[in-house]
Amino acid sequence: SQTIHQWPATLVQPVGSPLSLECTVEGTSNPNLYWYRQAAGRGLQLLFYSVGIGQISSEVPQNLSASRPQDRQFILSSKKLLLSDSGFYLCAWSAGEYGGYTFGSGTRLTVV
Amino acid sequence: GENVEQHPSTLSVQEGDSAVIKCTYSDSASNYFPWYKQELGKRPQLIIDIRSNVGEKKDQRIAVTLNKTAKHFSLHITETQPEDSAVYFCAARTGAQKLVFGQGTRLTINP
Repeated sequence: SQTIHQWPATLVQPVGSPLSLECTVEGTSNPNLYWYRQAAGRGLQLLFYSVGIGQISSEVPQNLSASRPQDRQFILSSKKLLLSDSGFYLCAWSAGEYGGYTFGSGTRLTVV
Repeated sequence: GENVEQHPSTLSVQEGDSAVIKCTYSDSASNYFPWYKQELGKRPQLIIDIRSNVGEKKDQRIAVTLNKTAKHFSLHITETQPEDSAVYFCAARTGAQKLVFGQGTRLTINP
C-alpha cells in the first residue's frame, strides 16, 4: 500500500534562517505531488505542485521554492524565512486524474 | 482559474440532527469533487468524493450531491454524532490536476 512521509513534525526557526522540508511517497510511481500551507484557523493554500521529476508549478509568488530531485521525493525550501512563513505545511500525493489526495502528517513551522 | 466558495463557515447542530455544507465552483471543466475532514492539529482526511458523471454518492451517514448545471455540490451528514465535530473542506479538481479548496466549515455537534 502507499504511504507518505513528511518531516519534521514541528520546527521553530528564527527569521532569516533557511528552511528545508521533505516529503517522500512509498508504494507508487510517478505520483502527482503537492505542497500546501495552512495558516492558523484558515483554509488550504496551494504553494507548489509537480506532475513529474523536475517539473514544478508555482501557485503563489513568495520566498519559497520547491524541488523534485527523485520521482517520489518533494522538497520545500527557503533561503531566508519571514515571520509570515509560519503555518502548517502539508505535503500530498495523488495518482492520476481522478486520484484523491492523501496528505502527509504535516509540519508545524513557527518563525520567531 | 478555479474558485470554490463554501458555506457556511461555521455550523452548529444538535446531536442526531442533520448537517448540510454547500460549495459552488466556477470552472465548468472541473470533474472531481472530494470532501475532507480535518480534526484539530491533524491532517485533512478524505471522507467522500464524487466524479462529474455521477449525481449522488452515499456512504453510511455521509452523502454528497452534485449539480453540474448549477455548479454546486453539497455534503450531507445524517444522525450526527460528537465525533463528527471537525473542520470540513470541499474541493474541486481542474484539468491541471490540482485541487482547489473551499475555505472550510467548522462543524460543532452539541450533545
